Amino acid sequence: ILNVEQSPQSLHVQEGDSTNFTCSFPSSNFYALHWYRWETAKSPEALFVMTLNGDEKKKGRISATLNTKEGYSYLYIKGSQPEDSATYLCAFVMGYGGSQGNLIFGKGTKLSVKP
Amino acid sequence: ETGVTQTPRHLVMGMTNKKSLKCEQHLGHNAMYWYKQSAKKPLELMFVYSLEERVENNSVPSRFSPECPNSSHLFLHLHTLQPEDSALYLCASSQGAPSGVRVTQYFGPGTRLTVL
Repeated sequence: ILNVEQSPQSLHVQEGDSTNFTCSFPSSNFYALHWYRWETAKSPEALFVMTLNGDEKKKGRISATLNTKEGYSYLYIKGSQPEDSATYLCAFVMGYGGSQGNLIFGKGTKLSVKP
Repeated sequence: ETGVTQTPRHLVMGMTNKKSLKCEQHLGHNAMYWYKQSAKKPLELMFVYSLEERVENNSVPSRFSPECPNSSHLFLHLHTLQPEDSALYLCASSQGAPSGVRVTQYFGPGTRLTVL
């Protein structure tokens, strides 16, 4: 059974705070890692696809790093705003085997940003 | 957010009912997916269709029956469901083979299903 773990489960921050959360995944048979942002009652929205060890991606105030050797990815939000409130999902993609190519999701980190 | 639409958004059904969930993608993609999210669980893949052929059935009970009549439409037919099937059902689409390393899936907003 493949496990993708995200921590923390939930996070409450004040507007302007910077924050980060973790996605842990199996370090063997790595193919890709996806990050999604999911606002309540809306569709999950793709943020990043990461494939190479040491990858860093940035989109506005949100950035992500990838360490495939140790099996983790960090998502950072600089200067959180109330509109950043959402659940952030990561999804691991394995390279071969029965689930090849399929997204295996973590449970997500729910971020709440208070004005 | 009109790339992938799902109807209905909410559905309540009895265990003896038959109902269908509909998904439509307006992105010109050639692969479509059904996912299930139960309470306090991660999104779980149910079915994958690529070029209108089912390429993945993730050990889903036969009371869930998918149909992909063309590359833009995907249905999930439901019959004799159980209360534990109550969940959020999400549809997604992508361009390119599901196993493609950089293939991004675009999701619909989901159907919230309650089985009484």
